[in-house]
Amino acid sequence: DTGVSQDPRHKITKRGQNVTFRCDPISEHNRLYWYRQTLGQGPEFLTYFQNEAQLEKSRLLSDRFSAERPKGSFSTLEIQRTEQGDSAMYLCASSSVPRNTIYFGEGSWLTVV
Amino acid sequence: EDQVTQSPEALRLQEGESSSLNCSYTVSGLRGLFWYRQDPGKGPEFLFTLYSAGEEKEKERLKATLTKKESFLHITAPKPEDSATYLCAVQANDYKLSFGAGTTVTVRA
Repeated sequence: DTGVSQDPRHKITKRGQNVTFRCDPISEHNRLYWYRQTLGQGPEFLTYFQNEAQLEKSRLLSDRFSAERPKGSFSTLEIQRTEQGDSAMYLCASSSVPRNTIYFGEGSWLTVV
Repeated sequence: EDQVTQSPEALRLQEGESSSLNCSYTVSGLRGLFWYRQDPGKGPEFLFTLYSAGEEKEKERLKATLTKKESFLHITAPKPEDSATYLCAVQANDYKLSFGAGTTVTVRA
């Protein structure tokens, strides 16, 4: 396995700008997850795909957040009109059926100034 | 709603001083309980998945156990390189993970 890959690793943006993060899961993993983590807290679930279908989205997630997984391969997470409260590490994870071991990437740090 | 509580929040150990971390959970239909290690500024690193009460798994100085209400991560004779935040998460039938806030372990030489 080459591991879950996330890009960019760090992003500084001005309030009100849009940002997009990319995640490349482990090859042949059909489940892909997005989480958000702030300092001192555990990761918080954002959304989850099985293949290209988005199966669940956190009800706490603002409409400014959108995620896609075209063709069931890589995924993107876009945040529109960023706010300072969006500053966090955005984590991507993937797993396969039936092994179900969920592997995380190194995360993408977002700082909104 | 699934809930995970980890204790203590922080643990300072002397090298070689064994200890245990606790993860208490409530979940509707446990599919699996996961343990991860997280170093500062990095993503969580997978350690174990436990699926049923009574199950135990070991890796080097770490041993995870599971009951119907909690899981323990035992660290035997820790070394400074075991210093990290240890995260516990439960997976229900919807496949998503619900995490605790973690226990930060510091091992002094």
